Amino acid sequence: DIEMTQSPSSLSASVGDRVTITCRASHDITNYLAWYQQKPGKVPKLLISGASTLLSGVPSRFSGSASGTDFTLTILSLQPEDVATYYCQKYDMTPYTFGQGTKVEIK
Amino acid sequence: EVQLVQSGAEVKKPGESLKIPCKVSGYDFTTYWIGWVRQMPGKGLEWMGMIQPRDSDTRFSPSFQGQVTFSADKSITTTYLHLNNLKASDTATYYCTRQPNFLDYWGQGTQVTVSS
Repeated sequence: DIEMTQSPSSLSASVGDRVTITCRASHDITNYLAWYQQKPGKVPKLLISGASTLLSGVPSRFSGSASGTDFTLTILSLQPEDVATYYCQKYDMTPYTFGQGTKVEIK
Repeated sequence: EVQLVQSGAEVKKPGESLKIPCKVSGYDFTTYWIGWVRQMPGKGLEWMGMIQPRDSDTRFSPSFQGQVTFSADKSITTTYLHLNNLKASDTATYYCTRQPNFLDYWGQGTQVTVSS
């Protein structure tokens, strides 16, 4: 099965900072990659599908990109409400494995 | 409005069984797969598998194959996660999700505690 390696596992940044989270697939998954945000105590929420397509209503400071088997979620200017754990997930074929998650905190 | 509504928290004893419902509304129930995701306390998300309500075709993550089953009742637009012979290690929150491929709508989660 394809493994999804997400890094870092946690980060602390200041309000306004640019934040980058990376997800690497062990094999080609084309762009069948989604990003989710889970705020503390809440249900996960889909942010991005197809590696770079922002879901309706998601702030434009979030973006996704892909380069081969490497995928990146970027928060252009971190806001207090972005405190959450972020997960990538592949959905090219089953199993639809999640990355391990990245916990984002405010410094 | 698309909704996936799950049951409330459950407390079970080791060895017992549990059937967690996920009531779907707001779209054609047979159009999309329904996925199930586990989240153990303080841990990440784990994709367990999925069921196609149209014909009850199922797919499982290798980690959950043989450990859980899914079912669907089209007459009441509800899918179920079946957990048998519960162990303390089954303590987790279980989410159902609508799954065109990615998981676009989520239930609120069912928290399951297994304790003697």
